[in-house]
Amino acid sequence: EPEVTQTPSHQVTQMGQEVILRCVPISNHLYFYWYRQILGQKVEFLVSFYNNEISEKSEIFDDQFSVERPDGSNFTLKIRSTKLEDSAMYFCASSLQGQGGTEAFFGQGTRLTVV
Amino acid sequence: AQTVTQSQPEMSVQEAETVTLSCTYDTSESDYYLFWYKQPPSRQMILVIRQEAYKQQNATENRFSVNFQKAAKSFSLKISDSQLGDAAMYFCAYRPNAGNNRKLIWGLGTSLAVNP
Repeated sequence: EPEVTQTPSHQVTQMGQEVILRCVPISNHLYFYWYRQILGQKVEFLVSFYNNEISEKSEIFDDQFSVERPDGSNFTLKIRSTKLEDSAMYFCASSLQGQGGTEAFFGQGTRLTVV
Repeated sequence: AQTVTQSQPEMSVQEAETVTLSCTYDTSESDYYLFWYKQPPSRQMILVIRQEAYKQQNATENRFSVNFQKAAKSFSLKISDSQLGDAAMYFCAYRPNAGNNRKLIWGLGTSLAVNP
């Protein structure tokens, strides 16, 4: 069964360092998303991506964040200068369509720890 | 603002018994979708069931069913004949079906333990 794959499963980085989280969405999906979940808090939407551009982003997704689909298969989230408060689980998701009822398939997440 | 509330941080159920997880939401939209996702220890979010707001009939997927009360903005999940593999975090989520809004809005989750 096709699945969304995220690497690494756990990343530890020093404050101020750049980090890139990687995702391989399901191959025929067209919409891609990043969510994050700070420990004990709600899952929060970061950004959605369609047709090689950002279609929606939240207020969390500031200039320190960027997304890219560099080669038609990977979908990356870059944090330029990590802060302690960026420590969270980051989930990538993809869906075939963008309509409201379409199922979003999620990866297993990357646990980012900023020290 | 659209919000999703899960008021039960933790629940437990005996194997083979039935449990209901609560979810309420707030929205001014009339057209939207509601979802229950399961997050087992493997951490992957797995869709359990979805409900279209325009449908009066409650969605059912095998042992999982919902009680959708649109006027009350309530969307509870019932798990029948609970199995050990049902132990997980369960998240209620909402998505409006309007314009370019594609994001899911999530509740805090309910941790379900299944006792043998």
